[in-house]
Amino acid sequence: EVQLLESGGALVQPGGSLRLSCAASGFSFNHYLMHWVRQAPGRGLQWVSGIGGKSGVIGYADSVQGRFAIARDNDKNSLFLQMSSLRVEDTALYYCVRDNHGDGMDVWGQGTTVIVSS
Amino acid sequence: AIQMTQSPSSLSASVGDRVTIICRASQAIRNDLGWYQQKPGEAPKLLIYGASTLQSGVPSRFSGTGSGTDFSLTISRLQPEDFATYYCLQNNIFPYTFGQGTKLEIK
Repeated sequence: EVQLLESGGALVQPGGSLRLSCAASGFSFNHYLMHWVRQAPGRGLQWVSGIGGKSGVIGYADSVQGRFAIARDNDKNSLFLQMSSLRVEDTALYYCVRDNHGDGMDVWGQGTTVIVSS
Repeated sequence: AIQMTQSPSSLSASVGDRVTIICRASQAIRNDLGWYQQKPGEAPKLLIYGASTLQSGVPSRFSGTGSGTDFSLTISRLQPEDFATYYCLQNNIFPYTFGQGTKLEIK
């Protein structure tokens, strides 16, 4: 079964750091572009970051550029999001998402919750 | 970044109605657009990719059209399970961007 399982969400103070992880299973992880998408409480979806299968292509939303870093470990079928200088507005449910070779984001995890608050 | 303007933000309709949701890109994105459905408490679900290709398992009452800057999602005969929030997403170039969402409610 194709599955994505996020972890690492927590309550953190403004200015703090956090590392999210996503464990992938059931597919050839290194063949797929992967993303992080977030959703603040009661708000819409926001694309955060994406990374190519061999990490050669990386992108960030303007709102997180310079503060967040996406990475992957293909040997461990894992995706990461290192978040630093966290702000209250980074509070959200963070989804790990598979991109089906440009044919849509077809597999979503259940998300991990990040709360930035003092 | 490419801006995706989605309308309407909310929509009331009845079972059996036909509804259309629009997304407009701030610059041409070929057909690099997807539509997603999200129900409360659930992760989003891919409905359409490449502007008009139905994802496997998605009912044929869903359809998408468009290319360049103007796109639409149509649900031909609303079913009770279709009441949800819908988002478009441009996947033409980083940073990818979602539309603001359309909440489809039962009239």
